[in-house]
Amino acid sequence: EAGVAQSPRYKIIEKRQSVAFWCNPISGHATLYWYQQILGQGPKLLIQFQNNGVVDDSQLPKDRFSAERLKGVDSTLKIQPAKLEDSAVYLCASSLPGGWYGYTFGSGTRLTVV
Amino acid sequence: AQSVTQLDSQVPVFEEAPVELRCNYSSSVSVYLFWYVQYPNQGLQLLLKYLSGSTLVKGINGFEAEFNKSQTSFHLRKPSVHISDTAEYFCAVSEIASYDKVIFGPGTSLSVSP
Repeated sequence: EAGVAQSPRYKIIEKRQSVAFWCNPISGHATLYWYQQILGQGPKLLIQFQNNGVVDDSQLPKDRFSAERLKGVDSTLKIQPAKLEDSAVYLCASSLPGGWYGYTFGSGTRLTVV
Repeated sequence: AQSVTQLDSQVPVFEEAPVELRCNYSSSVSVYLFWYVQYPNQGLQLLLKYLSGSTLVKGINGFEAEFNKSQTSFHLRKPSVHISDTAEYFCAVSEIASYDKVIFGPGTSLSVSP
């Protein structure tokens, strides 16, 4: 089966600019997650979708970050305006409903804010 | 709320030596436990998972982990490592009935030398 697709792979922007990341999950996976992974740290959950509804966005900095999952398939994560501390790898993952399946991750988007 | 501790940030070993990567978790309810591996510039890949039943779990690439409820641990082991096992390893926990939310540890960098 095809994996989780993410684009772009790399992005360099200046602070205060905006950026968007795209994710297409595995077909049939109702649950989609966006994680932020800062260098040297474990992934931190930003937002979790179940179909096209938000289940958990408690760790999403809503003053600058937004995410949507229209039609319950692919998803977009946006940052506007970006700060230096947003430099990280943004990982998208998907899974079947139920915590026991484990996640399938995409390769991530490495964002550098200069 | 659940949390994960990985006691060793870096583990250097020689090829064909055994290795153990330690993981402890904190939770007030029953949990699912996972180990993921991340190769350079890639997303995370599921190594193995503990859901219930036998406390010794076998995964891919010759890895295994043992769940110890009394010590709230889930240590990862391999009897003989290869150069290709060099990667970042993340322990993760999900509280049962937490809407599939998974919390990751900070990671352990395994470096295998010839």
